[in-house]
Amino acid sequence: AQSVAQPEDQVNVAEGNPLTVKCTYSVSGNPYLFWYVQYPNRGLQFLLKYITGDNLVKGSYGFEAEFNKSQTSFHLKKPSALVSDSALYFCAVRDGAYNTDKLIFGTGTRLQVFP
Amino acid sequence: ETGVTQTPRHLVMGMTNKKSLKCEQHLGHNAMYWYKQSAKKPLELMFVYNFKEQTENNSVPSRFSPECPNSSHLFLHLHTLQPEDSALYLCASSQGTSGGSTDTQYFGPGTRLTVL
Repeated sequence: AQSVAQPEDQVNVAEGNPLTVKCTYSVSGNPYLFWYVQYPNRGLQFLLKYITGDNLVKGSYGFEAEFNKSQTSFHLKKPSALVSDSALYFCAVRDGAYNTDKLIFGTGTRLQVFP
Repeated sequence: ETGVTQTPRHLVMGMTNKKSLKCEQHLGHNAMYWYKQSAKKPLELMFVYNFKEQTENNSVPSRFSPECPNSSHLFLHLHTLQPEDSALYLCASSQGTSGGSTDTQYFGPGTRLTVL
């Protein structure tokens, strides 16, 4: 069965410090992995995705994510956090073994960046 | 967010009312989705339409009725809802190519629904 886990409900980081938001997944076939961000009273905004190729994916707003097949992880990272990065972050996976549109989302991690 | 628009942004309705949520995408996509977002729960996929055909119904109660008249518009008709249906309802769209596993979904801002 397909699943995504975001083990941290909240991550706190000081502005200027590096941040990591964790995500692990479970699928039958090749994973197609996505990160989205949600600001208050807004929809989800696409940040980046991994389909194939280079394990380090670069996305919007200076975010990047590293695909690690052996650890079945796709952690979101940023070298230097901004207060404006404070939001709710969602990891999602689609199972490449199936011809499906279905995205499985994690429960979300709230990132709080303090000045 | 102008790629996918949703109206209304907020809706309060009684359990006996009938209302509809509207979604429109301006991205030239062929697949559209309805999701339900409740507090402390993962996003729940409700319905998927691909080239106007419903391809997924994720065991959604019949009090929710989707309609997709064309690839740009998606509706969610609501009737005799329950208080537990109160949530943020998100619409999304994607390219909808065959074998669309790699497609990115783009979301609208959502409709905040409160059922009294």
